[in-house]
Formats: sequence, structure tokens, C-alpha cells
Amino acid sequence: TQLLEQSPQFLSIQEGENLTVYCNSSSVFSSLQWYRQEPGEGPVLLVTVVTGGEVKKLKRLTFQFGDARKDSSLHITAAQPGDTGLYLCAGLNAGNNRKLIWGLGTSLAVNP
Amino acid sequence: EAQVTQNPRYLITVTGKKLTVTCSQNMNHEYMSWYRQDPGLGLRQIYYSMNVEVTDKGDVPEGYKVSRKEKRNFPLILESPSPNQTSLYFCASSRKREAPGELFFGEGSRLTVL
Repeated sequence: TQLLEQSPQFLSIQEGENLTVYCNSSSVFSSLQWYRQEPGEGPVLLVTVVTGGEVKKLKRLTFQFGDARKDSSLHITAAQPGDTGLYLCAGLNAGNNRKLIWGLGTSLAVNP
Repeated sequence: EAQVTQNPRYLITVTGKKLTVTCSQNMNHEYMSWYRQDPGLGLRQIYYSMNVEVTDKGDVPEGYKVSRKEKRNFPLILESPSPNQTSLYFCASSRKREAPGELFFGEGSRLTVL
């Protein structure tokens, strides 16, 4: 069974702090997506990374795909209360491209 | 506005009373899918559809039915709901058929089965 492990599971920080969350697997993925889900809403795609070693930036968010395409990280600089939410990673199986493998998420709270 | 619309958003029902959760997308997407989200278990796929009249089981299909008679609609049917189907349900769609790319999610339907 393919698994995507996200860490930490919960994170509570003060506004202005930096943080990194991780998404790890023993499996290789053809691509990996990061979503953010706010309370009472569905997940919304933040970014898709495809190439091993790829780095993408979205304002204060930096996403990196591991060289071996087995892991990814999300780094947030100077976190703001608006960053609060559940961050989910989802990997597209390199062998079976019909299904996404989901992590359980990192729940982030940024306190003013 | 591009969106995935689910109804109802909230529902409390009793064991055995058939119900349908509707899902409609206005983006002409080929791929549609149903997920349930439970604490500690994350998002789990129930069923998906790559085209009209083509549906397939996801990871947790037991107790659910779906149909895809039109491209835009993908209803989820619970023929005889049970308390273990109490959950938060999401419908999602994607432009890509074979390898779902960006998934667009609805706002969710919170179902309680007593």
C-alpha cells in the first residue's frame, strides 16, 4: 500500500515565524500536488511539482520536490493568520496514473 | 464562475433511508470523483468517473452507488445509509481524464446518519 506521510501533524506558530512541513514516501511519484483546505471548504490546489529537484515559489510559500521524486516540502516564510488551514499533499502514482495518493495533512494555526 | 456544486451541504438522516448527494460542475471536465474525509483517515476516494457512462470503484466503494449520465453531473447515492457513513463528503472534478491533474473540489456535504 502506498503511503504519503506528512509531518508534523499539527503546528501552531506566531505570526511572522517561518515553518516547513514535509511529505514523505518510499514510493516514486510522477508528480505531487499541494492543496490547502480551510474550515468548511474543499481543498484548493496550491501547486504541482513534476520534476525531481524542482522548486516552485508562490509568494511566501516555497515548494520543493525531492530529487528522487519520493518526497516534498513546503516552506512558509513570515507566516500570516491567513495561512491557517490544513495542508494536504497528494502524489500521482508513477505506475498507475489514475489515482492520487493522499497524505493525512498538516493542520497549521498561525496566531496573530 | 468555475465551480463544483454539491447539495445538500448538511444532512441528518436515519439508518436505512435512501439519500442522494448531487454534484454538478460547469467546467466541462471529463473526470469526476467522490471522496469522504474522516479524522485520522484523511481523504479516501469512493468512486470516480473518467467519462459519461464510465465509472469505477475507488478505495472505499462499499455502501455507495454513482452514475454519470451527463458530463456535468455525478450524484452519489446511499441506498441504505448506516452510521459508519457519517462523514464529510467532497465531489471533485478535473480536466484531465487519464491522469487527474488539478482537482477542483466542491464545498463539501456533511452527512450524519443516526
